[in-house]
Amino acid sequence: KNEVEQSPQNLTAQEGEFITINCSYSVGISALHWLQQHPGGGIVSLFMLSSGKKKHGRLIATINIQEKHSSLHITASHPRDSAVYICAALFQGAQKLVFGQGTRLTINP
Amino acid sequence: DAGITQSPRHKVTETGTPVTLRCHQTENHRYMYWYRQDPGHGLRLIHYSYGVKDTDKGEVSDGYSVSRSKTEDFLLTLESATSSQTSVYFCAISRTGELFFGEGSRLTVL
Repeated sequence: KNEVEQSPQNLTAQEGEFITINCSYSVGISALHWLQQHPGGGIVSLFMLSSGKKKHGRLIATINIQEKHSSLHITASHPRDSAVYICAALFQGAQKLVFGQGTRLTINP
Repeated sequence: DAGITQSPRHKVTETGTPVTLRCHQTENHRYMYWYRQDPGHGLRLIHYSYGVKDTDKGEVSDGYSVSRSKTEDFLLTLESATSSQTSVYFCAISRTGELFFGEGSRLTVL
């Protein structure tokens, strides 16, 4: 069964801390997406990756194909990073994404 | 900005009434999706389209129908709304594999 699990479900940290959010999936994928949703807001695509690592500003996404695991890192976290972060996997041979439950991140000043 | 607009953004309706949500895109992308988002469930696919008049069901399609008569418009219809369809509905398009979402439509069924 195609499944995506995220951890932790909730994460609270202080401004400036290094943040890691994890995403594990069950079988081989074609691509993995990281999305961001601010409270009451829309959903924004942060990264799409199928191997290696991508970086955009203070955000870094990595994926380990052998371990079926991806991480989203935030360096020098800021209260404006407070949001729900969602990973979604496009499994090989499938046309539809499977979404994780999301990680609610709160960064306190 | 991928040029996606959803309408209406907010709607309150009564059980048993029909409701249509519209997703409009300006960039002629082939793939369009309707999702619903509920607490504890994350995003779940209702229906998707891979071209004009080409649609397929997602994991929570019961009670919903869709139509795509033009590339730019993907309509989601609730023929007879129920309280369990109270949710936030998101439209999305896929462009070179990357996803772009509309701002969401909050539907309340009383």
